[in-house]
Amino acid sequence: NAGVTQTPKFQVLKTGQSMTLQCAQDMNHEYMSWYRQDPGMGLRLIHYSVGAGITDQGEVPNGYNVSRSTTEDFPLRLLSAAPSQTSVYFCASSQTITPTDTQYFGPGTRLTVL
Amino acid sequence: GQNIDQPTEMTATEGAIVQINCTYQTSGFNGLFWYQQHAGEAPTFLSYNVLDGLEEKGRFSSFLSRSKGYSYLLLKELQMKDSASYLCAVNGGDMRFGAGTRLTVKP
Repeated sequence: NAGVTQTPKFQVLKTGQSMTLQCAQDMNHEYMSWYRQDPGMGLRLIHYSVGAGITDQGEVPNGYNVSRSTTEDFPLRLLSAAPSQTSVYFCASSQTITPTDTQYFGPGTRLTVL
Repeated sequence: GQNIDQPTEMTATEGAIVQINCTYQTSGFNGLFWYQQHAGEAPTFLSYNVLDGLEEKGRFSSFLSRSKGYSYLLLKELQMKDSASYLCAVNGGDMRFGAGTRLTVKP
């Protein structure tokens, strides 16, 4: 079991560029989510998915798109990168959306937007 | 609004006990979670509380009082490897995290 994997680990973008952060899990988890982590602000939920074909917005969804075509994959797209999107991005998954299900986090993607 | 507060930094001595507090105000409540995050790494799950009281897991215990909007994480017999950030999170419909408490364990 690889758990939750994320690629790339590091990325530098110029303002206005677009890119996709990849996330995959091999635990057959229904629930997947994306967070960003900024100093002094904690983790903030961007988007989440309760199953293939179903996505919803979290606390800070603007500037990001997601899709869930398979159970395993949950990519996060930055449409037009801005310096305010410089952050560490974590993908997480859990068996179901049940609140007490343990969330497993990927290793993170460190994104810098110049 | 939704608010989760915890101290920014704490320092403790190896072998000692430390208590990390968390207070929260959320519109709903389905559970409170504690995560450990070493620098440059992903958060890892430590414990959760749904009902009031103390949950013990080895050297780590977590307490919840829903009426007071209060939780603490108790770490006993501190080891150097316990130096990390500890994140308090509340599921009130979606998951909200505090900013984390950076714990430094000194010899």
